Amino acid sequence: ETGVTQTPRHLVMGMTNKKSLKCEQHLGHNAMYWYKQSAKKPLELMFVYNFKEQTENNSVPSRFSPECPNSSHLFLHLHTLQPEDSALYLCASSQTSIRQETQYFGPGTRLLVL
Amino acid sequence: GENVEQHPSTLSVQEGDSAVIKCTYSDSASNYFPWYKQELGKRPQLIIDIRSNVGEKKDQRIAVTLNKTAKHFSLHITETQPEDSAVYFCAASMGGGGAQKLVFGQGTRLTINP
Repeated sequence: ETGVTQTPRHLVMGMTNKKSLKCEQHLGHNAMYWYKQSAKKPLELMFVYNFKEQTENNSVPSRFSPECPNSSHLFLHLHTLQPEDSALYLCASSQTSIRQETQYFGPGTRLLVL
Repeated sequence: GENVEQHPSTLSVQEGDSAVIKCTYSDSASNYFPWYKQELGKRPQLIIDIRSNVGEKKDQRIAVTLNKTAKHFSLHITETQPEDSAVYFCAASMGGGGAQKLVFGQGTRLTINP
């Protein structure tokens, strides 16, 4: 599959569970991003990775733990989440060259925390 | 940090008419302004972007204008069609290469009435 893929597409978890979201990009990009999209809220940037190094943590609670083992893969580890964490979690990737800033999004993982 | 305001939150137009969505930003250092379209249940997709060295950019029925002095930019869709119905997001970032910290507006739900 081409572009940016995310798994799983849907996830239901209890507040005591531990789960992980996976993102993979097949575009040869060097930067990867996690966003949270809640109803009636703008897309919120959570984490930024540039060449596998985290360059931005947008005041995200520690119950969200990102991991970027290489420029093509990005994970978001979840533990002891709260119901208000229910949202669509979108991964994106981009090049890092000047005038190549376009971010390409994955289809998202719709998360429900019970 | 950057703050992006987007108006209106909902917009309904007759098919064939024009639609205009406006955004303002707060950080004068921002230089890159993309617009994304998100159809129901789909991922956000870039439809057009503009950089600060350009005042206007057009791609078929879609155009974006930028006023750096006033710190606002607008999306114009002419001859609207039913497939233009979606949520549109504006965003702003520093540009200039590297991983981009995009700050998004709240979104505009555009409905095209046949």
